[in-house]
Amino acid sequence: DTGVSQDPRHKITKRGQNVTFRCDPISEHNRLYWYRQTLGQGPEFLTYFQNEAQLEKSRLLSDRFSAERPKGSFSTLEIQRTEQGDSAMYLCASSLSSGRPTSTDTQYFGPGTRLTVL
Amino acid sequence: AQSVAQPEDQVNVAEGNPLTVKCTYSVSGNPYLFWYVQYPNRGLQFLLKYITGDNLVKGSYGFEAEFNKSQTSFHLKKPSALVSDSALYFCAVSHPRGFNKFYFGSGTKLNVKP
Repeated sequence: DTGVSQDPRHKITKRGQNVTFRCDPISEHNRLYWYRQTLGQGPEFLTYFQNEAQLEKSRLLSDRFSAERPKGSFSTLEIQRTEQGDSAMYLCASSLSSGRPTSTDTQYFGPGTRLTVL
Repeated sequence: AQSVAQPEDQVNVAEGNPLTVKCTYSVSGNPYLFWYVQYPNRGLQFLLKYITGDNLVKGSYGFEAEFNKSQTSFHLKKPSALVSDSALYFCAVSHPRGFNKFYFGSGTKLNVKP
């Protein structure tokens, strides 16, 4: 068990550029989550996947954001036309779930990708 | 709407003394409650969770938490603090029908002084 990994750890970009982050969950974890954390705040839910299906998206996820998990393993989060307000830590988490809505699985978090938009 | 409140931005405690980090929640129905710790430039590490059963939950690194349904609280406790416990602590709640989507508090910075 190597834990959840995220790449890159840091990304500095100019406003208007596109960025893509990658998350590799714990192997065999069927659920994968993306959160955004700004300074002084707790993580805020963005979206999650059950296997390759994206089941829920937060209103925080504007049309400029897209997430994929094409083979039910790793996931990517892309931000198009970045804005300074996108600067944040983007956290990925994974869990092993029975699939039922009332599952109580623990989410295991990666180290995060810190995005700075200049 | 689901929400979590951590009323203290910062808690200061001397090494060896007991510590408490407070968390209250607002969730319809019976919530699932979690505590995580975050060290600088690191992701969140799971400490413990309450699903059902005994109101006192024991977790990693000697931490425990007490679920109080009448006060809608889930305070994190440790009998004897260590300097290495200094970190940012987050309380999270998930709704039983929320597909395990977490709602996090704003975090409490714990400072343990030698």
